[in-house]
Amino acid sequence: NAGVTQTPKFQVLKTGQSMTLQCAQDMNHEYMSWYRQDPGMGLRLIHYSVGAGITDQGEVPNGYNVSRSTTEDFPLRLLSAAPSQTSVYFCASSFRDRGYGYTFGSGTRLTVV
Amino acid sequence: SQQGEEDPQALSIQEGENATMNCSYKTSINNLQWYRQNSGRGLVHLILIRSNEREKHSGRLRVTLDTSKKSSSLLITASRAADTASYFCATDRIIQGAQKLVFGQGTRLTINP
Repeated sequence: NAGVTQTPKFQVLKTGQSMTLQCAQDMNHEYMSWYRQDPGMGLRLIHYSVGAGITDQGEVPNGYNVSRSTTEDFPLRLLSAAPSQTSVYFCASSFRDRGYGYTFGSGTRLTVV
Repeated sequence: SQQGEEDPQALSIQEGENATMNCSYKTSINNLQWYRQNSGRGLVHLILIRSNEREKHSGRLRVTLDTSKKSSSLLITASRAADTASYFCATDRIIQGAQKLVFGQGTRLTINP
């Protein structure tokens, strides 16, 4: 049981480049979400999904896209990277969107230069 | 936009002592969760306490919830060096009409041998 797997662990992008952060879970969780963690800002919700084919925006969605074609996978796409997107990104999943603890991945540390 | 606020921001104690961290929030909640984050790692779910519960235990962890004061505390008894980490409280909050988990900025706990 791998839990939540995020790839890559580290990434450096140039401003304007695009990339996809991968997230996969093997716990058959319906709910998946992406957070970014910045010093002094805590964790902020980017996008979330309550099931395959359903996604919605969180607190800070601008500059990011998501899709949920399967229960297992929830990739996060950076459309045109900006230095303000330098952060640590965490994917999390849960049995439901409320009332249950979240399982987090180990994170992707992204630097945009 | 943070719902929960942890106090203190940093705490340093000797191994074997008890550590107490507090979390305050602003709006009514259905449940409150505590997470631990070791340096460079993802968050790990510790405990969930529902709004109709006042106290919950898990091993050396004791969580209390006072909904009248909109506050919670996490007590770690007989601390160990391995307890060194950041601890976050998280509460549910309505974002764009949907209930989502919002994290505070965390308490950095250091256990000195």
